Amino acid sequence: DAGITQSPRYKITETGRQVTLMCHQTWSHSYMFWYRQDLGHGLRLIYYSAAADITDKGEVPDGYVVSRSKTENFPLTLESATRSQTSVYFCASSVTRADTEAFFGQGTRLTVV
Amino acid sequence: SQQGEEDPQALSIQEGENATMNCSYKTSINNLQWYRQNSGRGLVHLILIRSNEREKHSGRLRVTLDTSKKSSSLLITASRAADTASYFCATDSGTGNQFYFGTGTSLTVIP
Repeated sequence: DAGITQSPRYKITETGRQVTLMCHQTWSHSYMFWYRQDLGHGLRLIYYSAAADITDKGEVPDGYVVSRSKTENFPLTLESATRSQTSVYFCASSVTRADTEAFFGQGTRLTVV
Repeated sequence: SQQGEEDPQALSIQEGENATMNCSYKTSINNLQWYRQNSGRGLVHLILIRSNEREKHSGRLRVTLDTSKKSSSLLITASRAADTASYFCATDSGTGNQFYFGTGTSLTVIP
């Protein structure tokens, strides 16, 4: 199916564990983004990528790692999960820079216990 | 932070009425976008307005942009129950590489 998909949709993990959230898009969009959404904070940018092998930090990158070896995939890894990383995570892609619309995945609800 | 702020935080109206929500931001932008988020879903793009535009329409949506006041408004006319959602404005960063989202307006349209 065409579009942008995230997996898993729901995840519960324990403090200190490593967890990876997956994001896959079928459009070959250059730009991909990871956001977290928390009540009262809206969406905050974690990392973004302008192309394969090019990534950069957003507003709240601490505790997260990204990679982009292929254009269509942009996984987000929490190296050692903390309770403050309990959130809903959204992946998005856009054709070019932030002057075109972004397409969002359905989100991953992550709970760190 | 460039993050915009929507106002009001929550809005409740009757079906058929118009809904207006506002967005303010802090630094110069190249464009501003509005997105809708239904409960438990991802965001969906509604409309993009560039910094050299003052007004834009799309169906029942009307967006205005005042760069001198660093603000934008989204008007939804003749609202429907299906318009119930959260609405976010998004601005680009100075480099144009990133989107910054506001905190959103939660709209409830009562049938």
